[in-house]
Amino acid sequence: DAGVIQSPRHEVTEMGQEVTLRCKPISGHDYLFWYRQTMMRGLELLIYFNNNVPIDDSGMPEDRFSAKMPNASFSTLKIQPSEPRDSAVYFCASSFSTKNTEAFFGQGTRLTVV
Amino acid sequence: AQTVTQSQPEMSVQEAETVTLSCTYDTSESDYYLFWYKQPPSRQMILVIRQEAYKQQNATENRFSVNFQKAAKSFSLKISDSQLGDAAMYFCAYRSAFAGNMLTFGGGTRLMVKP
Repeated sequence: DAGVIQSPRHEVTEMGQEVTLRCKPISGHDYLFWYRQTMMRGLELLIYFNNNVPIDDSGMPEDRFSAKMPNASFSTLKIQPSEPRDSAVYFCASSFSTKNTEAFFGQGTRLTVV
Repeated sequence: AQTVTQSQPEMSVQEAETVTLSCTYDTSESDYYLFWYKQPPSRQMILVIRQEAYKQQNATENRFSVNFQKAAKSFSLKISDSQLGDAAMYFCAYRSAFAGNMLTFGGGTRLMVKP
């Protein structure tokens, strides 16, 4: 398997624009997570899915953020409208539901909102 | 809610020497998992080692080992025979055995390796 695949790797956008980040989890994994990494707040969980169903979105900062998982092999994180404070690295990760298994991370998307 | 604390923002070690990175956590749960992840400049998050809380034996993976002190809620990472490629950010992470598979991360420690 190619691992967790995220696209794009880098995104630069203007304030107010819509941004969509994409993630393809490892085949067979039934958990999918979106994390955000910033200097100020470190790595924080935004939302996670189990079997394509959102389980906990309490980490989503505002209504401007939304995430979907239409099927087991694809998820999106959308920011609309984007703001400069959304600039961060966004990671997608996936794992099996078995408790002692690790989460595998994608390479992240570095988002810059100017 | 669980919290994870890494009190050393930066550490440095001489190549071939040993270094220990500290991590403490706070939880009221009895069963959980602890992880150390490495993040090199490439940004990729790489699992270094994991520890199940119900296991008393400390986990070891080649040059990497942990000192897990459950009563003290401490989970330090020891890197032996440090190599230049060990230079990275290191994150300690907690995962509950009861509520989903999400990770709670510490703030990270930047490790520099001097040749």
